[in-house]
Amino acid sequence: EAGVAQSPRYKIIEKRQSVAFWCNPISGHATLYWYQQILGQGPKLLIQFQNNGVVDDSQLPKDRFSAERLKGVDSTLKIQPAKLEDSAVYLCASSPTSRETQYFGPGTRLLVL
Amino acid sequence: DAKTTQPPSMDCAEGRAANLPCNHSTISGNEYVYWYRQIHSQGPQYIIHGLKNNETNEMASLIITEDRKSSTLILPHATLRDTAVYYCIVSPPRGSQGNLIFGKGTKLSVKP
Repeated sequence: EAGVAQSPRYKIIEKRQSVAFWCNPISGHATLYWYQQILGQGPKLLIQFQNNGVVDDSQLPKDRFSAERLKGVDSTLKIQPAKLEDSAVYLCASSPTSRETQYFGPGTRLLVL
Repeated sequence: DAKTTQPPSMDCAEGRAANLPCNHSTISGNEYVYWYRQIHSQGPQYIIHGLKNNETNEMASLIITEDRKSSTLILPHATLRDTAVYYCIVSPPRGSQGNLIFGKGTKLSVKP
């Protein structure tokens, strides 16, 4: 069974630029999560989707971050414009249904200069 | 904030059992204890979870105290590949609100 796929694996941009990350969850998983992990800390949930609907985006900085999962399968997370403090690893996870075991992708490491 | 307390780091000799403690004194009666680990440059990996009873799978054992205020993750024969950050998480039951809240975890170093 293929795992959660993410791309790109690494991205370097300058502040005020835009960036987008892509995630393809495990086939058949209805729930998809995006996490931000700053160096030395545990992952922090940004947004949770159930199929193509948002369940929880309370921690998403909506002035600069956006995410979509239009067809209820893959998802895109965008940052526009990026700030220095957005440097982090962005992790995508999926689970069969809400609150079941989450399976994580390898993450995208973002560096904002 | 995370509802768990873990030591920031631990060492273990290769081949010996690694016992990772976790305090969750404010856990509610229907909340589960989950353990994940994160090997360097990888995403977190699910290990095991439990509610009241002790649990065992191919990766580890989970021992939960009778009052549920603490638990221990046991890796019975640690290898160098078990070097990782281990996260203990209290999670609401299925179907309820709330999500995994990761703390800083315990950095386990397995040494030859």
